[in-house]
Amino acid sequence: AQSVTQPDIHITVSEGASLELRCNYSYGATPYLFWYVQSPGQGLQLLLKYFSGDTLVQGIKGFEAEFKRSQSSFNLRKPSVHWSDAAEYFCAVGATNAGKSTFGDGTTLTVKP
Amino acid sequence: DAGITQSPRHKVTETGTPVTLRCHQTENHRYMYWYRQDPGHGLRLIHYSYGVKDTDKGEVSDGYSVSRSKTEDFLLTLESATSSQTSVYFCAISGGLAGNYEQYFGPGTRLTVT
Repeated sequence: AQSVTQPDIHITVSEGASLELRCNYSYGATPYLFWYVQSPGQGLQLLLKYFSGDTLVQGIKGFEAEFKRSQSSFNLRKPSVHWSDAAEYFCAVGATNAGKSTFGDGTTLTVKP
Repeated sequence: DAGITQSPRHKVTETGTPVTLRCHQTENHRYMYWYRQDPGHGLRLIHYSYGVKDTDKGEVSDGYSVSRSKTEDFLLTLESATSSQTSVYFCAISGGLAGNYEQYFGPGTRLTVT
């Protein structure tokens, strides 16, 4: 069965600082991996995705993520955080079976001025 | 933004009453999903559909039923609402094609069962 672990429930960073959100997954084959962002009162929005090929993927809003098969990780990074990045972030692993995804429990990002 | 709407956006109902939530898409995507989101639990899949009249259970399906009579509409019904079903419900869609398994989410429905 596939699973996703986001070890950090809550992270606080200062505006302008770099950010890394951790994601570890468990999946039997080559995974489809996603990061989503959810602002308060909103639905989830896709930030980026990995299916195959280059292990460093670029997304929207200046985010990137790196797939490391040996570590079963797909960490999200941003070099300089903006106050508008404060939100909840979800990592997900997808399956070819009806496109079902399994989501992590999320990491809440707070940005200090 | 993907064309997904949910109705109603907010609903307060009493224990024991039936409730139906509607998800409507204009993207002609094959797959549709209903999730609930609760603090500390992330997103949990209730039911999903892989085509018209084709549905299956997710991990938290007890107390819920779904129907999909048209590609664009996916209904979630709580036959007899309970307080434990107070939650935020999200609908999502996916094309399901090779290399296209990402999901697009609706704005959510906040349901309160009193």
